[in-house]
Amino acid sequence: QQQVKQSPQSLIVQKGGISIINCAYENTAFDYFPWYQQFPGKGPALLIAIRPDVSEKKEGRFTISFNKSAKQFSLHIMDSQPGDSATYFCAASGAGGTSYGKLTFGQGTILTVHP
Amino acid sequence: NAGVTQTPKFQVLKTGQSMTLQCAQDMNHNSMYWYRQDPGMGLRLIYYSASEGTTDKGEVPNGYNVSRLNKREFSLRLESAAPSQTSVYFCASSEVPGTLNSPLHFGNGTRLTVT
Repeated sequence: QQQVKQSPQSLIVQKGGISIINCAYENTAFDYFPWYQQFPGKGPALLIAIRPDVSEKKEGRFTISFNKSAKQFSLHIMDSQPGDSATYFCAASGAGGTSYGKLTFGQGTILTVHP
Repeated sequence: NAGVTQTPKFQVLKTGQSMTLQCAQDMNHNSMYWYRQDPGMGLRLIYYSASEGTTDKGEVPNGYNVSRLNKREFSLRLESAAPSQTSVYFCASSEVPGTLNSPLHFGNGTRLTVT
């Protein structure tokens, strides 16, 4: 069974701090790694995504770091804000063919940013 | 532009009852998906439809059936509900799955309780 393992389950940081969420995967055929953000009562929404041909991708305060040899990737949220308080999911899938965007999700991390 | 619309938002069923969860997207996307979200388990793919006229099983298809009614609509049916199917169900769509520029777009979910 394809798996993506995510940690920690919950995370509390102070406003202005750095939030770090880690994920590890097993299937070397995965080549698309998105992060989704979910607010209470809403569906997940894409935050940022990366392909394994780069080791890092940055969009504003959000950065994905990718370590292909270790089969690990992480989300860093710089200058964390109370509005970042949400559940974050990492995910992975293969590309094209019969993969059809079938994402395998991590277990989720509940982030709380205190003002 | 509504995106992905799911109905109903909430539902309570008794064991053995049947129901259909409805999903419609107005983004002219080719691919549609049904996921379930359970605490501590992330989102798991139930069924997906790569394009109109095709459907296929995901990770947890047992107890469910789907119909891709047309390009816009993708329904999920529970023939005989069980307490293990208590969950939050999310429908999603994408134009070109598994690419950085074509993420999954999720609806806001149907919260189902089976007693």
